[in-house]
Amino acid sequence: AQSVTQLDSHVSVSEGTPVLLRCNYSSSYSPSLFWYVQHPNKGLQLLLKYTSAATLVKGINGFEAEFKKSETSFHLTKPSAHMSDAAEYFCVVSLGDMRFGAGTRLTVKP
Amino acid sequence: GAVVSQHPSWVICKSGTSVKIECRSLDFQATTMFWYRQFPKQSLMLMATSNEGSKATYEQGVEKDKFLINHASLTLSTLTVTSAHPEDSSFYICSATDREWSNQPQHFGDGTRLSIL
Repeated sequence: AQSVTQLDSHVSVSEGTPVLLRCNYSSSYSPSLFWYVQHPNKGLQLLLKYTSAATLVKGINGFEAEFKKSETSFHLTKPSAHMSDAAEYFCVVSLGDMRFGAGTRLTVKP
Repeated sequence: GAVVSQHPSWVICKSGTSVKIECRSLDFQATTMFWYRQFPKQSLMLMATSNEGSKATYEQGVEKDKFLINHASLTLSTLTVTSAHPEDSSFYICSATDREWSNQPQHFGDGTRLSIL
């Protein structure tokens, strides 16, 4: 069985400062890992994915995530937050079917 | 890129009526579609996995007779909420995978907000 834990339910940053959204996973086998973003009343947009290739994964909109097997982590980062980044972010682990984390709401202050 | 269309985006109806939600893959064939439910400020909960031409696989606790899923073609799956009641009000999201690459991420529809009066 696989599961994922997002360590922060809410993260608030100032515009232009770095973003760190934390995610730890649990899986019996080597999983695929994803980060999705959801804007209010919208579906989900894929930011990036890890599928056992490079451990540092670059995604859209300047986001990236690093797969650390020793720490079972897949944290999402961005060097400089933009107002448009304010949304809900989901870390997802998959061994075929997807299991979602509880989500982290990112607030960006001007 | 791959696109999944979900319709309707928003529906309000009276208690006791049935509501059908459609999920279409527009530019790829999807043997597998997934239906999720999302309560306000919560994560997505997988309700069922729908495979083309076969019965859906429901997650524990999801009523099969309440949430009817049909996946008659490689591009269309429907979710029917039968005899809907206020507690069924939620945000329903579908997703689909390209059958050629099972390791690829799912592509999500924009969701359907269902409000039962």
